[in-house]
Amino acid sequence: SQTIHQWPATLVQPVGSPLSLECTVEGTSNPNLYWYRQAAGRGLQLLFYSVGIGQISSEVPQNLSASRPQDRQFILSSKKLLLSDSGFYLCAWTASPSGTADTQYFGPGTRLTVL
Amino acid sequence: AQSVTQPDIHITVSEGASLELRCNYSYGATPYLFWYVQSPGQGLQLLLKYFSGDTLVQGIKGFEAEFKRSQSSFNLRKPSVHWSDAAEYFCAVGARTGANNLFFGTGTRLTVIP
Repeated sequence: SQTIHQWPATLVQPVGSPLSLECTVEGTSNPNLYWYRQAAGRGLQLLFYSVGIGQISSEVPQNLSASRPQDRQFILSSKKLLLSDSGFYLCAWTASPSGTADTQYFGPGTRLTVL
Repeated sequence: AQSVTQPDIHITVSEGASLELRCNYSYGATPYLFWYVQSPGQGLQLLLKYFSGDTLVQGIKGFEAEFKRSQSSFNLRKPSVHWSDAAEYFCAVGARTGANNLFFGTGTRLTVIP
C-alpha cells in the first residue's frame, strides 16, 4: 500500500533563517505531488505541484520554492523565512495522469512557526 | 475559475443529532467533488468523493453526500453524529484538466456536545 511521509512534524525557526521540508511517497511510481499551506482559521492554499522529476509549477508568488530531485521526493524550501510563512504545510499525492479523475492523499503535515 | 464556498464556519450539534454541512462550488464543467476531514494537528482524510454516476455517494464513518447539479451543491450529511466526529471538514472541487489540482473551501469546524 501507499504511504506518504513528511518531516519534520513541527519546526520553530527565526525570521531570516532557511527552511527545508521534505515529503516522500512510498508504494507508487510517478505520482503527482503537491504542497499546500494552511494558515490558522483558513482553508488550504495550493503552493506548488509537480507532475515529474524536475517539473515544478508554482500557483502563487511567494517566498518559497519547491524541488523534486527524485520521483517520490518533494522538497519545500526557503532561503529566508518571513513571519507570514508560519502555518501548517501539507504534502499530497495522486497516482493518475494529469487530466483524469483521482483522489489526493495527504501526509500528516508540518507545523511551522516563524518567530 | 473554480471555487468552493462553505458558508458555515462553525457548527455545533448535539451527539446523536443529524448533521448537514453545506458546500457550493463554481466550475465550468462537471466537477470532481470531495469531502475531507481533518482532526486537530493532523493531515486530511478522505471521507467520500463524486466523479460520476449515482449522485448520492456513501463514504466512511457513516457519512454521505449528494451532488445536485442544479444547485451547484455537494452537501455532506450524517444521520446521527458521534462525539468523535468533531473535526474540521473541507469540501473540494477537482479540475478535469491540468495536474488534478484541487480547490478547497475554507472549511467548517464541527463541535459535538454531549
